[in-house]
Amino acid sequence: DTGVSQDPRHKITKRGQNVTFRCDPISEHNRLYWYRQTLGQGPEFLTYFQNEAQLEKSRLLSDRFSAERPKGSFSTLEIQRTEQGDSAMYLCVTGWGTEAFFGQGTRLTVV
Amino acid sequence: KQEVTQIPAALSVPEGENLVLNCSFTDSAIYNLQWFRQDPGKGLTSLLLIQSSQREQTSGRLNASLDKSSGRSTLYIAASQPGDSATYLCAITNAGNMLTFGGGTRLMVKP
Repeated sequence: DTGVSQDPRHKITKRGQNVTFRCDPISEHNRLYWYRQTLGQGPEFLTYFQNEAQLEKSRLLSDRFSAERPKGSFSTLEIQRTEQGDSAMYLCVTGWGTEAFFGQGTRLTVV
Repeated sequence: KQEVTQIPAALSVPEGENLVLNCSFTDSAIYNLQWFRQDPGKGLTSLLLIQSSQREQTSGRLNASLDKSSGRSTLYIAASQPGDSATYLCAITNAGNMLTFGGGTRLMVKP
């Protein structure tokens, strides 16, 4: 257990529905990242927060995706109008100093 | 843009063999390099972290080396066991505090 908690662990949704994932980082970690991982691939960067400020967004993060980190604590990732191509593992990563700590991920299946 | 490549993509060895996993990167301006283990359907577990000023790190049967000038890292696993079967990922943290992952090496250790 790295101390990074993600909820839910699994989500099955119908195409076109909206979904929201939550990440609770280790309390003193000021950096928080969201990554997406598809089967057989390494994780791909989606977005990065330093405290409450969203400093970087990948081109993978289409306008259907939005992420927030109010008060620099937990973070949410919302996907609107889900598509089958959104099916993946969504990973939250937090860091303090230079080491990265991963949550267990949320596995999204869009049917 | 940092690019990280892992070779081989998959590896199958008999139990007891020593083995080497390779990771190469294109931009040597890195903060650190981490090796992670990922079991099927799970999140990532950090194995070893090498700071940019270091040449290697060891933990039990694992030894990771870093050669920034050539853009290479290796993960050496001694006396492999079936429980070592997993996907191994290397990730680079660069100056923008971004983590860039390789595609991983899927390791199977046969009893």
